[in-house]
Amino acid sequence: QQQVKQSPQSLIVQKGGISIINCAYENTAFDYFPWYQQFPGKGPALLIAIRPDVSEKKEGRFTISFNKSAKQFSLHIMDSQPGDSATYFCAASMVRAAGNKLTFGGGTRVLVKP
Amino acid sequence: NAGVTQTPKFRVLKTGQSMTLLCAQDMNHEYMYWYRQDPGMGLRLIHYSVGEGTTAKGEVPDGYNVSRLKKQNFLLGLESAAPSQTSVYFCASSPRNRGVTEAFFGQGTRLTVV
Repeated sequence: QQQVKQSPQSLIVQKGGISIINCAYENTAFDYFPWYQQFPGKGPALLIAIRPDVSEKKEGRFTISFNKSAKQFSLHIMDSQPGDSATYFCAASMVRAAGNKLTFGGGTRVLVKP
Repeated sequence: NAGVTQTPKFRVLKTGQSMTLLCAQDMNHEYMYWYRQDPGMGLRLIHYSVGEGTTAKGEVPDGYNVSRLKKQNFLLGLESAAPSQTSVYFCASSPRNRGVTEAFFGQGTRLTVV
């Protein structure tokens, strides 16, 4: 059973539009929530991350919104660009646990049309 | 700076054959991980290591073995390959850190078992 559920599996957005990806988690011990971006043929790379003591974090056009009571978090990509076309993974971990193991969602393939 | 390097990048195996995937990192990271990536399932942790000479099971360890004889290397072995092990395998490393931690991924090994 997946501990981190991600939706949608894919989405298509027009250039300049907003991409929204949602994730839900079950384990309340998770206390670190990163998003990874993966381009075809490459490994995932950290995009942005949030700790549960804040409800929102913004870096450029990328924003994480976090709802601790609902155990949900989401990634918003503002002013989406063709270069943002990639697969996005949400993840969760327990920073105090040995190994800082990441549990990933199933991924969302984003296509930004010019 | 090479980061995380995986060898080989592609491999085709026959059912029952064995092989070893090699991972090397040059960032002096304590933690190393092996994930497999399958469509719709995100990345699932196979095994991980919190330091030289140590290994531990992840979410999907069956059919795999690992070794970490040197801090910079983490080997993943398949003793008797099965078609269900057809996947893209990613190695990653991260520093030991009680706070926010970034995992650095290699470029992946695409393995097909026929």
